[in-house]
Amino acid sequence: AQRVTQPEKLLSVFKGAPVELKCNYSYSGSPELFWYVQYSRQRLQLLLRHISRESIKGFTADLNKGETSFHLKKPFAQEEDSAMYYCALQGGSEKLVFGKGTKLTVNP
Amino acid sequence: DVKVTQSSRYLVKRTGEKVFLECVQDMDHENMFWYRQDPGLGLRLIYFSYDVKMKEKGDIPEGYSVSREKKERFSLILESASTNQTSMYLCASPGKRVGNTEAFFGQGTRLTVV
Repeated sequence: AQRVTQPEKLLSVFKGAPVELKCNYSYSGSPELFWYVQYSRQRLQLLLRHISRESIKGFTADLNKGETSFHLKKPFAQEEDSAMYYCALQGGSEKLVFGKGTKLTVNP
Repeated sequence: DVKVTQSSRYLVKRTGEKVFLECVQDMDHENMFWYRQDPGLGLRLIYFSYDVKMKEKGDIPEGYSVSREKKERFSLILESASTNQTSMYLCASPGKRVGNTEAFFGQGTRLTVV
């Protein structure tokens, strides 16, 4: 079974502070992992995916197969990062499942 | 630049009504998904389709059915709407090729069942 766990519903940090949004997954094969973001009154959109190994808007995420984690990190949070963040997993069946999401608030 | 379009932004229906939610994508993708989004519960997969006339149950299919007669259109059907189906419904369409698996989302349909 595919499962994604985001343990934090809410995360609040101050501007300029580091931020880490946690994501753990359960899947027996080799999954493809993603972070999606939803800004206020906007559509869900892709932030980054583990295959690309890229940094988007200063965010990075590393797939740790040993710990089955894909945590999202940014060294210096900005107010415009305030949004809802979802971790997602796609397995071999092409089923795409999401976690419950973490609402990030960056305070001035 | 719109890639995934849902037919309605807001809908209000009565208990027991049959409800159709429509989704159209213009990317020629095989895969299409329906989710419901509820506070504290995230996105829960209702049904998905990986080709015309093909469908798979997601994690919460009860009370829903789907139709995929054309590649670009994926319909979600609430056979007999109930108040616990009040929610935001999201349609998504990801690509299939490696490196092109980004899922594009519709703007959502907020359904209220009274």
